[in-house]
Amino acid sequence: QVQLQESGPGLVKPSQTLSLTCTVSGGSIISGGYYWTWIRQHPGKGLEWVGHISYGGNTYYNPSLKSRVTISIDTSKNEFSLQLSSVTAADTAVYYCAREEDSGYDYWGQGTLVIVSS
Amino acid sequence: QSVLTQPPSASGTPGQRVTISCSGSKFNIGSNAVNWYQQLPGTAPKVLIYSNNQRPSGVPDRFSGSKSGASASLAISGLQSEDEADYYCAAWDDSLNGELFGPGTKVTVL
Repeated sequence: QVQLQESGPGLVKPSQTLSLTCTVSGGSIISGGYYWTWIRQHPGKGLEWVGHISYGGNTYYNPSLKSRVTISIDTSKNEFSLQLSSVTAADTAVYYCAREEDSGYDYWGQGTLVIVSS
Repeated sequence: QSVLTQPPSASGTPGQRVTISCSGSKFNIGSNAVNWYQQLPGTAPKVLIYSNNQRPSGVPDRFSGSKSGASASLAISGLQSEDEADYYCAAWDDSLNGELFGPGTKVTVL
């Protein structure tokens, strides 16, 4: 059974960089034609796609975040990461990592709340 | 700022049929598959329908999806109390080169 688990600081200061890691267990991050994805949800709001990466390192980012987002993958650790720079309070959200295949986002992490505050 | 449009809420009594619409454009729904996600309170979303009308194993056949042109819909027949949740449509947008989610529809079982 594939499992995804987000990890990283729950509190980030404004203007700093938010860094999260998603560890994949129960399956190899390089198997299949999957995209490894970050999705966020502002408190009480809907879902927002942040971006994704293939095991080969191809990335796509949300155009509204593109200048601040970097998603990377570490196949040796079976994990992928999100970096979001110059954060503001508007980046406070629950961040989910998920696996995307032809049948949609089929596996999700439990989500991690990141608060941007001084 | 979602370019997929969903009604904010829908409701029905147990056993009724509820339909949720998702409207987009030729760049997203009109040219790509639509997936639907169910999010129960306090939990991560779960895929309910993929590729417009396919159900993953384990999803009850009370849930069905359809697509026509640049619009899609999710139907819940035989509504049950455990169906109270937020429902999101999603589709890739070729002009943005990114995934779009609808704003979500909150389903209430009366």
